Amino acid sequence: DAEITQSPRHKITETGRQVTLACHQTWNHNNMFWYRQDLGHGLRLIHYSYGVHDTNKGEVSDGYSVSRSNTEDLPLTLESAASSQTSVYFCASSFSGNQETQYFGPGTRLLVL
Amino acid sequence: AQSVTQLGSHVSVSEGALVLLRCNYSSSVPPYLFWYVQYPNQGLQLLLKYTTGATLVKGINGFEAEFKKSETSFHLTKPSAHMSDAAEYFCAVVNSGGYQKVTFGTGTKLQVIP
Repeated sequence: DAEITQSPRHKITETGRQVTLACHQTWNHNNMFWYRQDLGHGLRLIHYSYGVHDTNKGEVSDGYSVSRSNTEDLPLTLESAASSQTSVYFCASSFSGNQETQYFGPGTRLLVL
Repeated sequence: AQSVTQLGSHVSVSEGALVLLRCNYSSSVPPYLFWYVQYPNQGLQLLLKYTTGATLVKGINGFEAEFKKSETSFHLTKPSAHMSDAAEYFCAVVNSGGYQKVTFGTGTKLQVIP
């Protein structure tokens, strides 16, 4: 069965360290997204990609970067982790088209000390 | 521009009672509308969506929502709540024109009281 996975599921890191969160989908979706979920804010878009070598900034992109070298993967990198980046991170993917359903991964819980 | 407002961050209902979760949207063009559900420690999954056609949309687990353009609303309902419905529910909107990103509401946590 097609799926979308995230790793690690839990991560503890220190302020200033570089952290990479992995996202892998086997749906063959063109679109991939990274969100963070914080209490009172719902889901906020960090970065998104509409295809290989395409990346775009979302509403809360500062301090984060992504790259898309193939269809299946969109890793999210925190260049220098900050305590404000403690959050739950969700990756999602969808077929092209605004009406398409997004399929979400199980999430990565990140704690920055 | 587009936005979505979910009234009530927490809603409590008794088991067997009507579930009503409210969602109002703002969109400059005809919207696509979604309801997603998130169970504890899981990602979001689609409950139902409205794109075009019939304004009353039926989803999984007995939920349905009605697109009301005049009220700019897309409220989620279920006639009889079950304990397994306890979860967080997110309304989302995207403009139908062009290449657009989905905007999510801040979520409503549903508690079902036995």
